[in-house]
Amino acid sequence: KQEVTQIPAALSVPEGENLVLNCSFTDSAIYNLQWFRQDPGKGLTSLLLIQSSQREQTSGRLNASLDKSSGRSTLYIAASQPGDSATYLCAVEMDSSYKLIFGSGTRLLVRP
Amino acid sequence: DTEVTQTPKHLVMGMTNKKSLKCEQHMGHRAMYWYKQKAKKPPELMFVYSYEKLSINESVPSRFSPECPNSSLLNLHLHALQPEDSALYLCASSQERSGGTDTQYFGPGTRLTVL
Repeated sequence: KQEVTQIPAALSVPEGENLVLNCSFTDSAIYNLQWFRQDPGKGLTSLLLIQSSQREQTSGRLNASLDKSSGRSTLYIAASQPGDSATYLCAVEMDSSYKLIFGSGTRLLVRP
Repeated sequence: DTEVTQTPKHLVMGMTNKKSLKCEQHMGHRAMYWYKQKAKKPPELMFVYSYEKLSINESVPSRFSPECPNSSLLNLHLHALQPEDSALYLCASSQERSGGTDTQYFGPGTRLTVL
């Protein structure tokens, strides 16, 4: 059974810092891995999707990497801003299943 | 347009009520999803529709009844719910690819409270 773990559960950093969020999964037979952002009481916003054959994806200040063999992904946020404060969720889609399995998320607070 | 809309935003219902949640997308996506999210927990998949047919039911109690009237609409009919069903209900959609799906786009959710 696939299990997705995110570390740390919460993170507080001063504005301007570069930071890394971690995601690990136990079953490497994934189709893709997605990173989402969720603001309190809101829906999820897709940030990056990495196909299982890819190693990384970049969008603006965000860079996500995937090491399928070791079951790890990282989300790198450069030059963090208070507006980046949110919960960040990673989710894996298993091969041919449509089913996303989510980690528990990392709550990020960027202090002005 | 990458928007998934959900109505209502908030819903309060008694245990004997019947209500429905609605979800709509106009991105031409052929996979649509219902998720349930409890406070401070990740979303949990409830149902998946693919090409308007139910393809996954994650052993959800029958008091939740999904319906996909057409490729743009997804409903969740609620009947005889319990207080523990109070949660944020999220709808999502995605394009299908051979062997899997593309990015899932989520709606803002319906905050449901069962009294």
